[in-house]
Amino acid sequence: GQQLNQSPQSMFIQEGEDVSMNCTSSSIFNTWLWYKQDPGEGPVLLIALYKAGELTSNGRLTAQFGITRKDSFLNISASIPSDVGIYFCAGRRDGNQFYFGTGTSLTVIP
Amino acid sequence: NAGVMQNPRHLVRRRGQEARLRCSPMKGHSHVYWYRQLPEEGLKFMVYLQKENIIDESGMPKERFSAEFPKEGPSILRIQQVVRGDSAAYFCATSFSDSGNTIYFGEGSWLTVV
Repeated sequence: GQQLNQSPQSMFIQEGEDVSMNCTSSSIFNTWLWYKQDPGEGPVLLIALYKAGELTSNGRLTAQFGITRKDSFLNISASIPSDVGIYFCAGRRDGNQFYFGTGTSLTVIP
Repeated sequence: NAGVMQNPRHLVRRRGQEARLRCSPMKGHSHVYWYRQLPEEGLKFMVYLQKENIIDESGMPKERFSAEFPKEGPSILRIQQVVRGDSAAYFCATSFSDSGNTIYFGEGSWLTVV
């Protein structure tokens, strides 16, 4: 199946620092989604992107749809302890399944 | 998690038994996706269904696994003759339509095979 490469695999940061993670694909996607998953829970949608070049914010989170349509990044500003979790990207071509990245595990050190 | 209901949340089965996992979509959603997640791993696509139709089952194991989404009632993922390797979290996600470019996940069903 389609492979989405997500990096970094894990991050350990100090509270208050900014975070950046990205997702790349070998194929063009029409939609990019970013999710956060806490232990024992389902993924929760953070940001949805539908157009190449689109930059969307949700509070301290900002995500962009790459202009090549093969990548996306997620930034978190001024991290706080509750940002801890696993972040997944997902991409989709029209009418097909959503492909997920392997996840970025974020640890925030108070 | 935005109204997608999965049950049971936790299920324990002995090897050789059957497991049935249910997913009730958000109100108005007619498309269901099932994903499997092994510990410390990402979400692996299994099957994509709409009411009474399987759209894409390319991620389903060829044997023992089946899925349905009847006209009435929840979507069901069925695993026959479970083995230890089937132990995982199974998530369903739903969308409004096939052009609905956002999917919302349920809380997941954790299957443990003993």
